Amino acid sequence: GNSVTQMEGPVTLSEEAFLTINCTYTATGYPSLFWYVQYPGEGLQLLLKATKADDKGSNKGFEATYRKETTSFHLEKGSVQVSDSAVYFCALSPMEYGNKLVFGAGTILRVKS
Amino acid sequence: KAGVTQTPRYLIKTRGQQVTLSCSPISGHRSVSWYQQTPGQGLQFLFEYFSETQRNKGNFPGRFSGRQFSNSRSEMNVSTLELGDSALYLCASSPGLAGSEQYFGPGTRLTVT
Repeated sequence: GNSVTQMEGPVTLSEEAFLTINCTYTATGYPSLFWYVQYPGEGLQLLLKATKADDKGSNKGFEATYRKETTSFHLEKGSVQVSDSAVYFCALSPMEYGNKLVFGAGTILRVKS
Repeated sequence: KAGVTQTPRYLIKTRGQQVTLSCSPISGHRSVSWYQQTPGQGLQFLFEYFSETQRNKGNFPGRFSGRQFSNSRSEMNVSTLELGDSALYLCASSPGLAGSEQYFGPGTRLTVT
């Protein structure tokens, strides 16, 4: 079946530290991969996406590369800010299921000033 | 473009009652998906509608149903509410192509007492 595994949190970093949140997936076929972010009391915001192997998605300093050989889509940012504190979700969309998203459990990120 | 809107934002219901939630997608988007978010189960896919037809369905009991209108607006209905139905219900819209990115609304917070 289709599933997403994320590193457990919370992850606590100091401002300007380097961020990595690991994400691995299991899927049949070639899914699209996404990172979403959720701020307290809000819905999910699309952070970045990749649709095929070796694609790199990037947005607001965040990056993730679709690695088919390791079935991974790790999220990175070179220098985090307090405003990046949120919950981050890795997700896949199995191409044969229309627009269904399968989510990981989410990783809480806390950035201290 | 206006984003995805959901009404109402908050709702309190009693066990055994039924509830209807509404979602208006981004203009031009033909696909609407619904998700349930709870602390214990995380984000789970309920169903997807595309051009007024249910294209995809998750593993939820028949008490959960939905529909889509010709203007792409969607409603979901939960009958015979149970305490475990308390959750944040998120609606997402997409242009419609399989695997394309989805844009989420702010959610409806349902509390069942």
